[in-house]
Amino acid sequence: DGGITQSPKYLFRKEGQNVTLSCEQNLNHDAMYWYRQDPGQGLRLIYYSQIVNDFQKGDIAEGYSVSREKKESFPLTVTSAQKNPTAFYLCASSIQGPDTQYFGPGTRLTVL
Amino acid sequence: SQQGEEDPQALSIQEGENATMNCSYKTSINNLQWYRQNSGRGLVHLILIRSNEREKHSGRLRVTLDTSKKSSSLLITASRAADTASYFCATDEGSGNTPLVFGKGTRLSVIA
Repeated sequence: DGGITQSPKYLFRKEGQNVTLSCEQNLNHDAMYWYRQDPGQGLRLIYYSQIVNDFQKGDIAEGYSVSREKKESFPLTVTSAQKNPTAFYLCASSIQGPDTQYFGPGTRLTVL
Repeated sequence: SQQGEEDPQALSIQEGENATMNCSYKTSINNLQWYRQNSGRGLVHLILIRSNEREKHSGRLRVTLDTSKKSSSLLITASRAADTASYFCATDEGSGNTPLVFGKGTRLSVIA
């Protein structure tokens, strides 16, 4: 059953804590992406990776970090430096950069 | 960076009516894609139209592309309550291996 998964579905964080959001795909895609979506808004690109062990900043990378040690996995860490982290986070993958993207179900992060 | 801009931001129609959403973009493209997002879910790819195509159909969806005006439209015919969702256009930037750029979306409400 191919696809892209994100966990957890809901995540609560206290101020000052780092949290890591998981994203896994078994589609054999080279490229993976992290987006942030605020209520009623569009997608904003946080980070993307075109290939293992390489990644680039998107439009809103400050306060976030990523790693790409395996082709299947692209975890996102929301650090304490991110001042307003409460949002819906979406992970996606594609064969290559401009190709059709396949999205995970999302993680809703709330800072308490 | 924001490439596509959807219009209108929100649209409310009665079941059975047609819904038309527009997308404008700024630079040359290789293709333009439309995605759908149900509330609280990930995006789902609907249709891709290449820059050398003018119109494409998929079921009740009809997409047009006018590269001279840098615009596209998505028509949903005979709408159903289940079509209620946000719809996003996404464009590549015409060259290189860069990610798609998503617009801010149109929120469609179909009232039964």
